[in-house]
Amino acid sequence: EAQVTQNPRYLITVTGKKLTVTCSQNMNHEYMSWYRQDPGLGLRQIYYSMNVEVTDKGDVPEGYKVSRKEKRNFPLILESPSPNQTSLYFCASTPGGEGSEQFFGPGTRLTVL
Amino acid sequence: DQQVKQNSPSLSVQEGRISILNCDYTNSMFDYFLWYKKYPAEGPTFLISISSIKDKNEDGRFTVFLNKSAKHLSLHIVPSQPGDSAVYFCAASARNQFYFGTGTSLTVIP
Repeated sequence: EAQVTQNPRYLITVTGKKLTVTCSQNMNHEYMSWYRQDPGLGLRQIYYSMNVEVTDKGDVPEGYKVSRKEKRNFPLILESPSPNQTSLYFCASTPGGEGSEQFFGPGTRLTVL
Repeated sequence: DQQVKQNSPSLSVQEGRISILNCDYTNSMFDYFLWYKKYPAEGPTFLISISSIKDKNEDGRFTVFLNKSAKHLSLHIVPSQPGDSAVYFCAASARNQFYFGTGTSLTVIP
């Protein structure tokens, strides 16, 4: 089944404790992206990657890192999480090209205390 | 600053009638517009898209209209069904980046 998977689905952590949210897709898509969803703000793009070893900042990249060592994986790294990073995070992938539909993962609910 | 805006947080429609969801944008460089539907505890799923060079795209019960001069697009759902009840996000893309609106929660009343 074609899908985007994220782990963990739920995470509660404390300020400053480094964490990684994994994202994997099995559709051989070139473009992958991370978003955060917050009430009243919709989805905002954090980082995106056009292909292996190519990553770019989205609208709200501060406090986040990403890597794209393999085509299928695009982990999101929070080196020193803070409470304002409490949010619902979505990973997405697309075959590429603007206008292409994005396939979203089920989301990761992160709480930073 | 929000480049894509959905000014109606919620909308209720009777089953069988038309649902019209609206979206405004500020960036004239956007070249594609997309609509996504989201159920609770799930990721958004793609509904329909339109290129900036077109003014209408239709797919079954869903039609998207684009008015570039007004920087406005709308999604029409006809006829509305109870299963359409969800949050709908408008999105726009430019230079490989995507910008989403804040969403409109649609409730279709049986």
